[in-house]
Amino acid sequence: SQKIEQNSEALNIQEGKTATLTCNYTNYSPAYLQWYRQDPGRGPVFLLLIRENEKEKRKERLKVTFDTTLKQSLFHITASQPADSATYLCALDSSYIPTFGRGTSLIVHP
Amino acid sequence: DAGVIQSPRHEVTEMGQEVTLRCKPISGHDYLFWYRQTMMRGLELLIYFNNNVPIDDSGMPEDRFSAKMPNASFSTLKIQPSEPRDSAVYFCASSLTSRTQETQYFGPGTRLLVL
Repeated sequence: SQKIEQNSEALNIQEGKTATLTCNYTNYSPAYLQWYRQDPGRGPVFLLLIRENEKEKRKERLKVTFDTTLKQSLFHITASQPADSATYLCALDSSYIPTFGRGTSLIVHP
Repeated sequence: DAGVIQSPRHEVTEMGQEVTLRCKPISGHDYLFWYRQTMMRGLELLIYFNNNVPIDDSGMPEDRFSAKMPNASFSTLKIQPSEPRDSAVYFCASSLTSRTQETQYFGPGTRLLVL
């Protein structure tokens, strides 16, 4: 069966460090993968999209990698700040409809 | 643009009552999605519309759930009768196309509690 796995345990890091979140998937062949941020009491907000033929994508302090062989995407936030604390969701396309992982909570301590 | 608008933001009802959730998508967006989010199951797609037409409702949990989109600027998700296990946050999202290369814009959600 198809699965999207994100670490259910919260990631706690110190301000200024690089946060790395993982999204693993099985039985998908996604053409695209997206990352969203969700704050408590709010809907998810789109951050980045990476295509299957792209290895890496950057936007300001954010970097996403996509390894279709490993079936994994890594999401990095460099120079993390307490304001980066949120839940981060990955989403894969499945017949053009995005399917979301359950998200990983990131907590950045000052 | 005000973004995707959902109402009500919170709803508390008793088991057996009818619940209607409302959504106004971003003007010009052709696709509208209804999701349900719980701690146990995460974010699940319930149904989506293209140009007001329901395309895929395979995520709708059972016949108690129904959704309509009478025009391009309004959609409803109805639960009748409601049950405690329907308690969740329901999100509406819209996009220009359904392909995930396009950003989905989510509303603030409706937090539903069925007692």
